[in-house]
Amino acid sequence: GQQLNQSPQSMFIQEGEDVSMNCTSSSIFNTWLWYKQDPGEGPVLLIALYKAGELTSNGRLTAQFGITRKDSFLNISASIPSDVGIYFCAGSEYNNNDMRFGAGTRLTVKP
Amino acid sequence: SQTIHQWPATLVQPVGSPLSLECTVEGTSNPNLYWYRQAAGRGLQLLFYSVGIGQISSEVPQNLSASRPQDRQFILSSKKLLLSDSGFYLCAWKGPRNSPLHFGNGTRLTVT
Repeated sequence: GQQLNQSPQSMFIQEGEDVSMNCTSSSIFNTWLWYKQDPGEGPVLLIALYKAGELTSNGRLTAQFGITRKDSFLNISASIPSDVGIYFCAGSEYNNNDMRFGAGTRLTVKP
Repeated sequence: SQTIHQWPATLVQPVGSPLSLECTVEGTSNPNLYWYRQAAGRGLQLLFYSVGIGQISSEVPQNLSASRPQDRQFILSSKKLLLSDSGFYLCAWKGPRNSPLHFGNGTRLTVT
C-alpha cells in the first residue's frame, strides 16, 4: 500500500522563525492535504492541493504539490505560540478512498 | 453546513468488555466515512472506511469491526476489548472524488 514519510518528526523553534516540513510518498498522489491537530482534538484541514506544482497559501501557511506528484511541503512563516501542535500530511491516489497520513510533525514554539 | 458528531468523548473500559463508538454526519448525503486510530504521540492509522450503507472496507485485521446501518451513521465495535485497543479514535467524512477529510473531535478510549 501507499507509504508516506513525513519529516521532521519534531521541531523546536523560537517565536518568529519560519518552519518547513515535508512529505514523500512511494506512489503518485492525486491529492495532498495538510492538517493541524491540537491536543485532544481531531485534525483540522489547513490546505488542500489538487494539481502537480500547485502552490497554495492560507495566511502564514504555504504548501506545494510536488511536480513528481510524490511529495509536498508545508511552510509556516513568522511562527507564533498558537502554531504549536502536530501537523499531518495526507494523500490519496485518484479515486482512491483510503486517505493515508504521515506520522506527523510535532511543532513547539518558544516565546 | 456539514457537521460531524462523535461520542462519547472519553471512555474507560475493562479488558474483555464490549465497545460501541458512534459517529454521525449532518448536512450531507452519501458521504464516505472513516474510522482512524491514533496511539499516543503517533500518527493516524486507518481502520475502516465505507463508501455506502452496508459497505465496509477493513484495513487492519484485529478484534474491531465497523458497521454503517444508515447513510450518515458509522459505528465502531468490539466484542472483547484488549489493552492494545487503547487510543484516540477519530471518525471522519469526505465528499465525492478528491474532497478532503473532515474529522470529528475524537474518542479517547482507555482499556484497563
